[in-house]
Amino acid sequence: GDSVTQMEGPVTLSEEAFLTINCTYTATGYPSLFWYVQYPGEGLQLLLKATKADDKGSNKGFEATYRKETTSFHLEKGSVQVSDSAVYFCALVKAGGTSYGKLTFGQGTILTVHP
Amino acid sequence: GAVVSQHPSWVICKSGTSVKIECRSLDFQATTMFWYRQFPKQSLMLMATSNEGSKATYEQGVEKDKFLINHASLTLSTLTVTSAHPEDSSFYICSAWREREKVNTGELFFGEGSRLTVL
Repeated sequence: GDSVTQMEGPVTLSEEAFLTINCTYTATGYPSLFWYVQYPGEGLQLLLKATKADDKGSNKGFEATYRKETTSFHLEKGSVQVSDSAVYFCALVKAGGTSYGKLTFGQGTILTVHP
Repeated sequence: GAVVSQHPSWVICKSGTSVKIECRSLDFQATTMFWYRQFPKQSLMLMATSNEGSKATYEQGVEKDKFLINHASLTLSTLTVTSAHPEDSSFYICSAWREREKVNTGELFFGEGSRLTVL
């Protein structure tokens, strides 16, 4: 079945450091890929998405490129802030689905950014 | 602000009792809602798809008699954990699908989650 694997956390960085959170997936066809973020005490929020190969999703300084050849969707940010501290989830949805609700999630990566 | 709200955010109950968790879409109607379960340091696992006005669709391995889902209105879905036991302790998260005008487009909004602890 479909699966998503994220790098082990937690990740601890200093402010303004470069961030990479690795995400690889296993799925048939051409899934859509997502990064969700969960800030303390809040629900998951969509951070960015990409629906086809070579697409780059970007939001709030975060970027991720859909790499079909390596089945990856790594999340990057050039300069993290303390406010980026959160749990980040990589997810996919099967291609061809009429609803994007049936997501397959990675295990989540806790990011802590220190001043 | 939040567009999907869950209540309660945390609950502690005795073994054998039933617990109801509500999921509300605050400013849109959701014909489809989803319930996930998350164990510590593990991924979110889809439990079931809640469809307004019809029976929920459960994922393989999820006991429908244990986890009762009712989607009685376009803004409310409830998950009832019946005869809860310690192994049911978990973080339960709902999401609601908000349709857009364009066919097959929309966005998924998540609730804050509900932490259940069964003693």
